[in-house]
Amino acid sequence: DAMVIQNPRYQVTQFGKPVTLSCSQTLNHNVMYWYQQKSSQAPKLLFHYYDKDFNNEADTPDNFQSRRPNTSFCFLDIRSPGLGDAAMYLCATSRGGGGQPQHFGDGTRLSIL
Amino acid sequence: AQSVTQLDSQVPVFEEAPVELRCNYSSSVSVYLFWYVQYPNQGLQLLLKYLSGSTLVKGINGFEAEFNKSQTSFHLRKPSVHISDTAEYFCAVSDVESSGDKLTFGTGTRLAVRP
Repeated sequence: DAMVIQNPRYQVTQFGKPVTLSCSQTLNHNVMYWYQQKSSQAPKLLFHYYDKDFNNEADTPDNFQSRRPNTSFCFLDIRSPGLGDAAMYLCATSRGGGGQPQHFGDGTRLSIL
Repeated sequence: AQSVTQLDSQVPVFEEAPVELRCNYSSSVSVYLFWYVQYPNQGLQLLLKYLSGSTLVKGINGFEAEFNKSQTSFHLRKPSVHISDTAEYFCAVSDVESSGDKLTFGTGTRLAVRP
């Protein structure tokens, strides 16, 4: 089945130690998104790629960066994680063009020690 | 800019009872409307969407929603819920005039189905 896969499902890192979360898709969708979701809250969009075009949300901290080396893969890099960055990180994809639903992976739960 | 309001943060309901989860939106432009469900420790799954046409849309798992333009609402309904429907439900909108599919989410409604 075509899908969005996030690895790992659970990630533990130390305060200030860089961490990378990965997302891959077999849907061949043009758009890939990264969300941060804290407990009992809605997902918060961090940034998205429309093909190779990177779009950063205005309130996304500089600590968060992303790479999309090809259509299938997208990475979220957190340069110096703080305790407030502990959350579920969700990757999603869509075709683009308007009105297309987003397809989500199962997320990576990040814990900071 | 758009905003989405889900007035009920939690909705407790008994199994086999009907349920309605409310969603209202505000936007200066036309929007597409979506309902997503999130089970514990999982990503979001599309329940249904409204793009155009018939205002009553049917989705997966027996859910349906009705778009009401005059009331700017998109309430989700199910005539008879199951224990397995216990989850978080998010209403979302995207801008018709945008070529992208960015979503603006509501704060979510936790549906708790009791035996």
